[in-house]
Amino acid sequence: SQQGEEDPQALSIQEGENATMNCSYKTSINNLQWYRQNSGRGLVHLILIRSNEREKHSGRLRVTLDTSKKSSSLLITASRAADTASYFCATDATGANNLFFGTGTRLTVIP
Amino acid sequence: EAQVTQNPRYLITVTGKKLTVTCSQNMNHEYMSWYRQDPGLGLRQIYYSMNVEVTDKGDVPEGYKVSRKEKRNFPLILESPSPNQTSLYFCASSALYRDEKLFFGSGTQLSVL
Repeated sequence: SQQGEEDPQALSIQEGENATMNCSYKTSINNLQWYRQNSGRGLVHLILIRSNEREKHSGRLRVTLDTSKKSSSLLITASRAADTASYFCATDATGANNLFFGTGTRLTVIP
Repeated sequence: EAQVTQNPRYLITVTGKKLTVTCSQNMNHEYMSWYRQDPGLGLRQIYYSMNVEVTDKGDVPEGYKVSRKEKRNFPLILESPSPNQTSLYFCASSALYRDEKLFFGSGTQLSVL
């Protein structure tokens, strides 16, 4: 399967701390995307990083991509209770016609 | 407001009773897709469409049908639902396929008894 694997499966932190989630994948990619899902609702796009990029920022989000290790990380700085959600990576694999989603990391931010 | 609209939000049905979940987007997107989400399995693609009259199978197409007669609509049809199709379903769209973010609908929670 080309599906990404997020690590850890669940993460619980205090408000104000940083949260780091990792994603590993198996094949070469064109880009990798991160999405957020609030409890049973639709996913919301957070950030897209292309295969020739190594790092990208958006507000409190920082994404890194290491294509040699086939891995990516999502860092959320100064977390807030409202960041509580599940986070998914999705890979646009070379030669494929669809995005492959991982199983997600469930983040809980304790006020 | 740009959005992907799915209906219904919740659906309970019985085995074998045909049903349709509708999906509509108002962004003139070419690419549309259906996913199902199950605990521990993440999101798996059922079918996708690159444009009108162009559809293709995803990872788990068995038991599902789709059609794309108009650019804005992409209904998901279950001809004879079975309990293993109980799941949370999402429709998504993007302007083009590559290098584009997906916009997701709010989801349809389907229970097949």
